Amino acid sequence: SQQGEEDPQALSIQEGENATMNCSYKTSINNLQWYRQNSGRGLVHLILIRSNEREKHSGRLRVTLDTSKKSSSLLITASRAADTASYFCATLWAQKLVFGQGTRLTINP
Amino acid sequence: DAGVIQSPRHEVTEMGQEVTLRCKPISGHDYLFWYRQTMMRGLELLIYFNNNVPIDDSGMPEDRFSAKMPNASFSTLKIQPSEPRDSAVYFCASSFQGAREQYFGPGTRLTVT
Repeated sequence: SQQGEEDPQALSIQEGENATMNCSYKTSINNLQWYRQNSGRGLVHLILIRSNEREKHSGRLRVTLDTSKKSSSLLITASRAADTASYFCATLWAQKLVFGQGTRLTINP
Repeated sequence: DAGVIQSPRHEVTEMGQEVTLRCKPISGHDYLFWYRQTMMRGLELLIYFNNNVPIDDSGMPEDRFSAKMPNASFSTLKIQPSEPRDSAVYFCASSFQGAREQYFGPGTRLTVT
């Protein structure tokens, strides 16, 4: 299956700390995307990184992509309570996004 | 833009009944996707359309599921007859050009008793 797998499944940190989530996938991709889902809500797109890019930044988010290892990481710096959510990586393959199971991030005040 | 609109937000029905979920994509988007999310299986793509034409319905679980997109601003996902195992949150998403980011609606939480 093309499905990405996030690691860890759950992460709990103190407000102000950095949070790192990892994603691994199995086959070639066009791009890799990260999404956030707050409880009871739809997914919100965070950042897209193309297969020929290695790193991308957006505000407090930093995404890396290593196509040789078929892995990506999402770093959230200076975490806030509002960052509490589930985070999903999604790989684009044949015009379809395939989502991993997600990392549940909890930011403790 | 109001974003992707889905209705109803919650649906409770009895086994055997027909269920119709509705979606209005973002204006100008040419791709529309239907997903199902459960704790056990995560987020699954059911079907997607490009310019109102179904492109890939390989994720539709059974013949009980059908989807239509009669025009660029409206799509439906129908389950007939519904079963308890269909209970899930169903999301609609749209995008401009298939390889770019998708915009998700708030979802419809379906409970089949």
